[in-house]
Amino acid sequence: AQTVTQSQPEMSVQEAETVTLSCTYDTSENNYYLFWYKQPPSRQMILVIRQEAYKQQNATENRFSVNFQKAAKSFSLKISDSQLGDTAMYFCAFMKQIFGNEKLTFGTGTRLTIIP
Amino acid sequence: DTEVTQTPKHLVMGMTNKKSLKCEQHMGHRAMYWYKQKAKKPPELMFVYSYEKLSINESVPSRFSPECPNSSLLNLHLHALQPEDSALYLCASSQLRLAGGHDNEQFFGPGTRLTVL
Repeated sequence: AQTVTQSQPEMSVQEAETVTLSCTYDTSENNYYLFWYKQPPSRQMILVIRQEAYKQQNATENRFSVNFQKAAKSFSLKISDSQLGDTAMYFCAFMKQIFGNEKLTFGTGTRLTIIP
Repeated sequence: DTEVTQTPKHLVMGMTNKKSLKCEQHMGHRAMYWYKQKAKKPPELMFVYSYEKLSINESVPSRFSPECPNSSLLNLHLHALQPEDSALYLCASSQLRLAGGHDNEQFFGPGTRLTVL
């Protein structure tokens, strides 16, 4: 079974600063996907960024980037130039690359607060 | 249309009531999901439908009964719930791709906040 660990239950940073959220996972699979989802107080889960395990290049989406270390089973999220709208719960998630088994395994989440 | 909609937004029900939660998507996705999320916890998968067939049931009690009438709709029928079933119920949908697909991320709806009295 897969497990996803987020060791930082809460973090806070000043607006415009850079923050890194950590995530580690455990799996015996070689092919899989990793995701970061954001859940603001409005409750809607929004995909932030995704990474395919077979790709060595780290994914980036505007101010969001990941540091994917496959051997270390680490998948951290970096948010640059943080904004007030980044305040949310962030979940790291794992999915096997198996057709018909698109089950997401979530970490326990990190509550991020951006301070004005 | 890149949206998953859920109705109602809030629902309060007694333990003897029967109610239904509804979810709809028009993105052509062939996989749909129900999750349960308690406060300050991650979502927990309940059911997965693939091509309108139930493909995963995570040992959910029978008082929760899913239904997928067509490829765009997903229902969750509720009957004889317990107070501990109070939670946010999230629906999601995704494409179904062969291994190596690039767009299998799940799109979530805004959820239904359920309170069981």
